[in-house]
Amino acid sequence: DAEITQSPRHKITETGRQVTLACHQTWNHNNMFWYRQDLGHGLRLIHYSYGVQDTNKGEVSDGYSVSRSNTEDLPLTLESAASSQTSVYFCASSESSGFLTGELFFGEGSRLTVL
Amino acid sequence: GEDVEQSLFLSVREGDSSVINCTYTDSSSTYLYWYKQEPGAGLQLLTYIFSNMDMKQDQRLTVLLNKKDKHLSLRIADTQTGDSAIYFCAEVAPSGYSTLTFGKGTMLLVSP
Repeated sequence: DAEITQSPRHKITETGRQVTLACHQTWNHNNMFWYRQDLGHGLRLIHYSYGVQDTNKGEVSDGYSVSRSNTEDLPLTLESAASSQTSVYFCASSESSGFLTGELFFGEGSRLTVL
Repeated sequence: GEDVEQSLFLSVREGDSSVINCTYTDSSSTYLYWYKQEPGAGLQLLTYIFSNMDMKQDQRLTVLLNKKDKHLSLRIADTQTGDSAIYFCAEVAPSGYSTLTFGKGTMLLVSP
């Protein structure tokens, strides 16, 4: 079955370290997204991509970067982790025509703690 | 910028109806969505409504749309304990094709 997987599911790191969260989908979806979920803020868009070599900044992109070298993967990198980046991170994907139904398929989330 | 607004918490008894409300921002939104997040999981699309509709019914779910007031509601009939989850309202982000702007989510707690 097609799916979207995130790794690691849980990570603890220290302030200043570089961290990469992986996202892999097997639906061959062109669109991929990274959101963070925080109490009191809901879901906020970090970065998104409409296809290979395409990346775009979302609402809260500062301190994060992504790259899209193939259809299946959109890794999220925290260049220098800060305590404010402690959060649960969700990767999602959708088909190119997905805006008509807005169906995003979400991974199970990666809980990141920055000490 | 403006936010998609939702009440944060709703508690109901099993068998009652639940109504979750949302106020969205973009009057030109073509589709509006409800997503459900169960504990420890990602979000899943629950239902959606096209902007030229006032109501959509899908089994126990009824979505009502008031475009004049930019108000969206989700009614769950005969609420079950398995409906306990966080429910997110979402609209297509004004700034991005295929991107969604989510509300903060409403936590629904169903007690026996």
